[in-house]
Amino acid sequence: SQQGEEDPQALSIQEGENATMNCSYKTSINNLQWYRQNSGRGLVHLILIRSNEREKHSGRLRVTLDTSKKSSSLLITASRAADTASYFCASQETSGSRLTFGEGTQLTVNP
Amino acid sequence: EAQVTQNPRYLITVTGKKLTVTCSQNMNHEYMSWYRQDPGLGLRQIYYSMNVEVTDKGDVPEGYKVSRKEKRNFPLILESPSPNQTSLYFCASSLTNSPLHFGNGTRLTVT
Repeated sequence: SQQGEEDPQALSIQEGENATMNCSYKTSINNLQWYRQNSGRGLVHLILIRSNEREKHSGRLRVTLDTSKKSSSLLITASRAADTASYFCASQETSGSRLTFGEGTQLTVNP
Repeated sequence: EAQVTQNPRYLITVTGKKLTVTCSQNMNHEYMSWYRQDPGLGLRQIYYSMNVEVTDKGDVPEGYKVSRKEKRNFPLILESPSPNQTSLYFCASSLTNSPLHFGNGTRLTVT
């Protein structure tokens, strides 16, 4: 079963604003990953946060992980029109190598 | 160039006509996986493989077969396709417990 849930399903902001997307998962994880997908194309990995980490940064991206709440958030700061895409979280279970994806957040950044 | 190559990109077929979608990676990755993506359902895992000759069912394996005879190849076989298998399919690979590299997708239509 699909264990990841993301909210919001869709987010529309103006260029320069910050965008925050949230993800919840159900089982114990080894790590949690965030991916980006441009329309109809393959997903591209953005950032990975391990279960023993609480926060991670990469450029304009900031990811947090709260294992007690089984949740993660992705913050994109100073958004650009080129950030328009779908964003997916994926949780990697400790029981194996399976990676389970959430349903994604469609982000639209208006110029 | 390191990549995951899926073929074909587009495929239109009729119910019951066996087909194979090929997937090949040139990064010596142990882990390979197939996903299908449908509107409102995100990415759902069909099958995955942790190494040669090792395959396991994902969340939606019914109607699909896979094989992993060589490390680089992980074909997806639909023995008797049905219209509910119309979808966008992605192959992905990675080192164990590392981010996935995705192919560009195969859009399958079964009439």
